Amino acid sequence: DAGITQSPRHKVTETGTPVTLRCHQTENHRYMYWYRQDPGHGLRLIHYSYGVKDTDKGEVSDGYSVSRSKTEDFLLTLESATSSQTSVYFCAISAGRLNTEAFFGQGTRLTVV
Amino acid sequence: DAKTTQPTSMDCAEGRAANLPCNHSTISGNEYVYWYRQIHSQGPQYIIHGLKNNETNEMASLIITEDRKSSTLILPHATLRDTAVYYCIVRAGSYNTDKLIFGTGTRLQVFP
Repeated sequence: DAGITQSPRHKVTETGTPVTLRCHQTENHRYMYWYRQDPGHGLRLIHYSYGVKDTDKGEVSDGYSVSRSKTEDFLLTLESATSSQTSVYFCAISAGRLNTEAFFGQGTRLTVV
Repeated sequence: DAKTTQPTSMDCAEGRAANLPCNHSTISGNEYVYWYRQIHSQGPQYIIHGLKNNETNEMASLIITEDRKSSTLILPHATLRDTAVYYCIVRAGSYNTDKLIFGTGTRLQVFP
């Protein structure tokens, strides 16, 4: 299995509090991605990174920010969590060459109450 | 990014071949077709990918039409463990834009 770890795996937080999810990789891959998955919506791209300090928005970036200060870590922050951000969050990594696969983490289940 | 269209759900009898179609009529010349699957709530798992030639690996075969506007993922002998959501993705990008955009996928149910 690819070396990709998400933490925490489960979290319950209150509305209005900040939350940070971490994705850690040991593959030295250039690309890292954050997705959310809700029933009936498949996986939707939130943000992605194509290098240290290089990030870009995905399909559903409102309410989320990201940071990547080193190759191995990609952080997703909900500045002020809302109930609509209750979801399962997946991180993925890729070498970034089109002829290579992407690997996914096991997900973080976030509940905002 | 080219969009993909897949049937919402399909059934397949155990031991039979499962043929999952994907339409990607707006695909361009440098875009690859990738297939992933997601079992229960696990992270998606890579299956196979191709550019224009048919591909086969230990999990599946990928048939891409000559005009590249559609493809079919074939699981030659489906088992109950192949029950999952299957995603067809068209992947393109330059140095800084290797986005992976998923659609809603096909829910494959393999029955005994």
